[in-house]
Amino acid sequence: DTAVSQTPKYLVTQMGNDKSIKCEQNLGHDTMYWYKQDSKKFLKIMFSYNNKELIINETVPNRFSPKSPDKAHLNLHINSLELGDSAVYFCASSHVGGNSEAFFGQGTRLTVV
Amino acid sequence: AQSVSQHNHHVILSEAASLELGCNYSYGGTVNLFWYVQYPGQHLQLLLKYFSGDPLVKGIKGFEAEFIKSKFSFNLRKPSVQWSDTAEYFCAVNAGDSSYKLIFGSGTRLLVRP
Repeated sequence: DTAVSQTPKYLVTQMGNDKSIKCEQNLGHDTMYWYKQDSKKFLKIMFSYNNKELIINETVPNRFSPKSPDKAHLNLHINSLELGDSAVYFCASSHVGGNSEAFFGQGTRLTVV
Repeated sequence: AQSVSQHNHHVILSEAASLELGCNYSYGGTVNLFWYVQYPGQHLQLLLKYFSGDPLVKGIKGFEAEFIKSKFSFNLRKPSVQWSDTAEYFCAVNAGDSSYKLIFGSGTRLLVRP
């Protein structure tokens, strides 16, 4: 059983399109995150949610809109895709508490052409 | 603001060599420290973590790390690397008891030659 699952694994799309990435965790965690990993492997947090509430938005353009229908799901919708959005997007989850390990999904490699 | 520095961007070793990867963080308060590994084409997995107690922590696959508070460091070590340790290694930190933000270093790419 996959603990944190993301779909799709690969996404190739044209500039200007709108796309969504889905994330689900079956670990019973309260907190979920989206991270962006660029071509140089640098990982940067985008959003974190706790019990469906937005806790952190790291100055991400408002073309990116996360949605958490329940605490097991955190989806990421991206409007008007740009070339610079090409990256690997990782979903993660953890229990509340700074010493809790974050579990990561397999990643979604987004390529905007 | 918190930040994490990993000084070695690329490391190449032969099998059986010893490994030490540097990690320094900037934050004056209580921190929780992590090392994650990302094998080629895979997601991040936890190697080890420190949040209190013995500053020398042991993780999976023979890895260990030492927290030195006075140096704001959390270096990763392994006495003898294997070809299968080839991966990207990330140091990460979050602050306090209820932080929702795990800050990552820029990563170190380790290549182990057989």
